[in-house]
Formats: sequence, C-alpha cells, structure tokens
Amino acid sequence: KAGVTQTPRYLIKTRGQQVTLSCSPISGHRSVSWYQQTPGQGLQFLFEYFSETQRNKGNFPGRFSGRQFSNSRSEMNVSTLELGDSALYLCASSTGLEKYNEQFFGPGTRLTVL
Amino acid sequence: AQSVAQPEDQVNVAEGNPLTVKCTYSVSGNPYLFWYVQYPNRGLQFLLKYITGDNLVKGSYGFEAEFNKSQTSFHLKKPSALVSDSALYFCAVRSPNDYKLSFGAGTTVTVRA
Repeated sequence: KAGVTQTPRYLIKTRGQQVTLSCSPISGHRSVSWYQQTPGQGLQFLFEYFSETQRNKGNFPGRFSGRQFSNSRSEMNVSTLELGDSALYLCASSTGLEKYNEQFFGPGTRLTVL
Repeated sequence: AQSVAQPEDQVNVAEGNPLTVKCTYSVSGNPYLFWYVQYPNRGLQFLLKYITGDNLVKGSYGFEAEFNKSQTSFHLKKPSALVSDSALYFCAVRSPNDYKLSFGAGTTVTVRA
C-alpha cells in the first residue's frame, strides 16, 4: 500500500506570494491533517479534513486555508507569505473513523520564504 | 484543553544502555496516547499507542511504553538502545471527545557508540 505523498518536496517563495501544497493520503483514508513544524514552535496543528469537511482547526491566521477533494486528496494554501511561514509542512492521513487510530505522515514539504 | 509535556529536550545514552523518554499529558476523559519518531528530513513514523487495557504497550523496533493514569504519564522505553535509535521522538494525546491530536515539543535522543 502506498504511503502518504506530498508535493512538492521543496519550495522557495518570496514574501507576499502565495503557495499551494498537495497531499495524497493512503488509499481508503478519509481524514487528512496538516501540521507546521519549526525548530522554535515544534509541531503545530493547522487543520483536519474528513470527507471534504473541515472537522478541526488550529490557531493559525486566515492566510492558511485548506480543502479536501472527493478522492480525499487535500491541498493547503498560504496567501501573502511571511518570513515566519518558513517551515516543514507535514500532512498525515488516517481512516478518521475512530479516535484511537494513529495517523500516517508524509515526508513533508519544506517551504522557504525569502 | 489537552496538552502534552516532554520535560527533556535531549536524552543522551550509551549504546546498549536502557533508554527512557518521558511524557506527561493533560486531557479530559480517558486518553489515547501515541509515540512517533522522526528521522532527519523525514516525516513522523508511528511507534506505538495506548488505547485501553494493559498499561504496558509494545511497539515497533523494540520500543515499549508504560501508561500510568495516576501520574498522567506515558514514558517510552527501550531496554537496550542502538545508535540507529538516535532521532527526534514525539509524544501525542487525543481525548475521547475530539479528533484533534496534540503533540509534545519533542525529545532529541542521541545514542553514542
């Protein structure tokens, strides 16, 4: 079974631009969660989508948004990029049906904002 | 609100010695607890989880974790550490009332040969 895939793996953008990251979950998984990982803040939860609906949201500004498609693939968008948005963005998938199910993580997208 | 604390930023052990990575949590209700490991430039890999029942949970790569409800702890252990266990370890908690998964700040483990 293929794992969680994220594209692109690396991105370099400049301040003010916008960016879209993509995540393909494990086949059959309906939940996709997004996290931001930085050395200073650790792993910060962005949001979770289940069956095309946002089910949970973290404490990030409205510049961060996401969506999920009918095939469970998810995209995350960041508008008006700031230097502080430089981070590793991780996507994780799970069945989303039981709270005791573990999440499976992708390799991440490394975003650098110049 | 739920939260996780990993009190040690770094743990250093010699190869062959026991390894312990500490984790305490705060959550309403009975928790679901998880440990993940992250190697450089990689995503997180699931190690083990506690759902209910036996307080000692066994997972991948020889790791185990002990759930202690009275101390609200879920420490990760390995009887004999390997150099290849050097990585960043995360503890996470989820309440029975929410799908959100909360992570600790992570503990960097270094195993010296």
